[in-house]
Amino acid sequence: KNEVEQSPQNLTAQEGEFITINCSYSVGISALHWLQQHPGGGIVSLFMLSSGKKKHGRLIATINIQEKHSSLHITASHPRDSAVYICAVIIGGNQFYFGTGTSLTVIP
Amino acid sequence: DGGITQSPKYLFRKEGQNVTLSCEQNLNHDAMYWYRQDPGQGLRLIYYSQIVNDFQKGDIAEGYSVSREKKESFPLTVTSAQKNPTAFYLCASSRGSRVVAYTFGSGTRLTVV
Repeated sequence: KNEVEQSPQNLTAQEGEFITINCSYSVGISALHWLQQHPGGGIVSLFMLSSGKKKHGRLIATINIQEKHSSLHITASHPRDSAVYICAVIIGGNQFYFGTGTSLTVIP
Repeated sequence: DGGITQSPKYLFRKEGQNVTLSCEQNLNHDAMYWYRQDPGQGLRLIYYSQIVNDFQKGDIAEGYSVSREKKESFPLTVTSAQKNPTAFYLCASSRGSRVVAYTFGSGTRLTVV
């Protein structure tokens, strides 16, 4: 059983649409990361959250610690947002557990 | 600019050969990690090191070996004992004992033929 579950696995959207990717986890965590992986494979960290909400440009991440759930929202999606988005939780301060990722394709 | 450099980006090896993947960081991060990524699966931890000259096995360490002789470098050797070595390998580093700044490399895609 995976400690981190993401949905959906695949998502196709029209340019301009509002996108939501969900992440649920089953254990107590120190923090949660949203990561973006581009087709070349490199990964960048978008957000690290331990509570509440963070916003960066068109990206918004929220976390509800009691419900063990986080969401990543993309407003006004663009083809350059096409990537795999990975939810990762930190357990015990320094141990990551990763979701399997959500593959997003934004069509012009 | 600081960051993590993984090399090479693509690597082909014959079955039965050992191969070493390079990971170098100039972020002055204490901890470094190796992950393996397979299609349809999340990243899985192979080995990690929190200080120089010390490293710990992750969830899938069998068939792999590492060293941490310098703070900047954490090479991963995929040995012939690894049953399914073809995968995408990611190196990462973090500052201190708590994950405050976590940086990933660009990855190495290893194909064993």
